Amino acid sequence: AQSVSQHNHHVILSEAASLELGCNYSYGGTVNLFWYVQYPGQHLQLLLKYFSGDPLVKGIKGFEAEFIKSKFSFNLRKPSVQWSDTAEYFCAASIKAAGNKLTFGGGTRVLVKP
Amino acid sequence: EAGVTQFPSHSVIEKGQTVTLRCDPISGHDNLYWYRRVMGKEIKFLLHFVKESKQDESGMPNNRFLAERTGGTYSTLKVQPAELEDSGVYFCASSPLVSNQGYEQFFGPGTRLTVL
Repeated sequence: AQSVSQHNHHVILSEAASLELGCNYSYGGTVNLFWYVQYPGQHLQLLLKYFSGDPLVKGIKGFEAEFIKSKFSFNLRKPSVQWSDTAEYFCAASIKAAGNKLTFGGGTRVLVKP
Repeated sequence: EAGVTQFPSHSVIEKGQTVTLRCDPISGHDNLYWYRRVMGKEIKFLLHFVKESKQDESGMPNNRFLAERTGGTYSTLKVQPAELEDSGVYFCASSPLVSNQGYEQFFGPGTRLTVL
């Protein structure tokens, strides 16, 4: 069965620090990969997605993620975080053959201290 | 364009009662998904509609949960009778059937269900 794991449950860092959130998935076929974010009091929104092509994907708000097929990973990065990046981040995967239903990781709560 | 909406935003009920959650997808989106997040756990898939048809209900926990999507527009998720372990946040998401934007799902704000 498809699964997604996120390495950290909680991350605390200061403004201007770099952020990297790990995500690994288990599925041998063609997967679609996503990072969603939920800011406090808001709904889940898409940060970025990977379907094919360039494995380095750029998303909104300065985020990027790199798909490394050999490592089954899709880590999220941001070179310099802001206080407004405080949120919960979710990695997710889907496959077309399964109706594109999303399998989520456990989420990572990121707190950026001003 | 209006986003995915869910009603109610919060619901507090007692064990044994019935609750019905509603989801209005983005207009024109034929795919509609329900997910649930129990406290401390990951967001989990419940079921998937394509228009009014249930495409996949493999994530539904048990037969106390009933989902419908009459006319292929809004969907309801009924829990009857509710149990304590049903507490959590229920998310709805929608996506077009065919899209050149890939398979992004657009999420609603969720309904927080508390069963006492």
